[in-house]
Amino acid sequence: KQEVTQIPAALSVPEGENLVLNCSFTDSAIYNLQWFRQDPGKGLTSLLLIQSSQREQTSGRLNASLDKSSGRSTLYIAASQPGDSATYLCAVCGSARQLTFGSGTQLTVLP
Amino acid sequence: DAGVIQSPRHEVTEMGQEVTLRCKPISGHDYLFWYRQTMMRGLELLIYFNNNVPIDDSGMPEDRFSAKMPNASFSTLKIQPSEPRDSAVYFCASVIGTEETQYFGPGTRLLVL
Repeated sequence: KQEVTQIPAALSVPEGENLVLNCSFTDSAIYNLQWFRQDPGKGLTSLLLIQSSQREQTSGRLNASLDKSSGRSTLYIAASQPGDSATYLCAVCGSARQLTFGSGTQLTVLP
Repeated sequence: DAGVIQSPRHEVTEMGQEVTLRCKPISGHDYLFWYRQTMMRGLELLIYFNNNVPIDDSGMPEDRFSAKMPNASFSTLKIQPSEPRDSAVYFCASVIGTEETQYFGPGTRLLVL
């Protein structure tokens, strides 16, 4: 059974810092890996999707990497802003399109 | 596009009552997923459908939970009878088979007293 772990569980940084969120998974037979953002009381918003054959994806200040063989992914956020404050969830997609989620990293960016 | 629509947004009920959650996927999407989010267990997949057919319901916690998708634009998740431990946020998500990004609804926040 696939298990997804995210470290750290919570992170507080001053505005402008670059930061890295970590995600690890136990079964490397994945279809893709997705990073989501969740604001309090809201649904999930997809940020980046990395195919199993890819090494990284970039969108604006966000960069996600994938090392399938070691079961790791990182989400890099450059020049963090208070508006980036949210919970970031990593999810691994199996061949049947089902997502297995990590428990999330709660990020606070202090002005 | 209005996105994935869920109703109600909030539901408060008493133990033993029947609860029905509703979801309207994005038009044209052929996969629909029901998830549950709690503090203790995080986000868990309950069941998913492809072309209105249930594919995997192994995440449904008990026989008290049931889900249907009578047509491509509507799905329900029913809990009967409800228990306090069912209190959670229930999300619906949909995706079109040619793409991979799942689109989530705003969720239904359920409180069972």
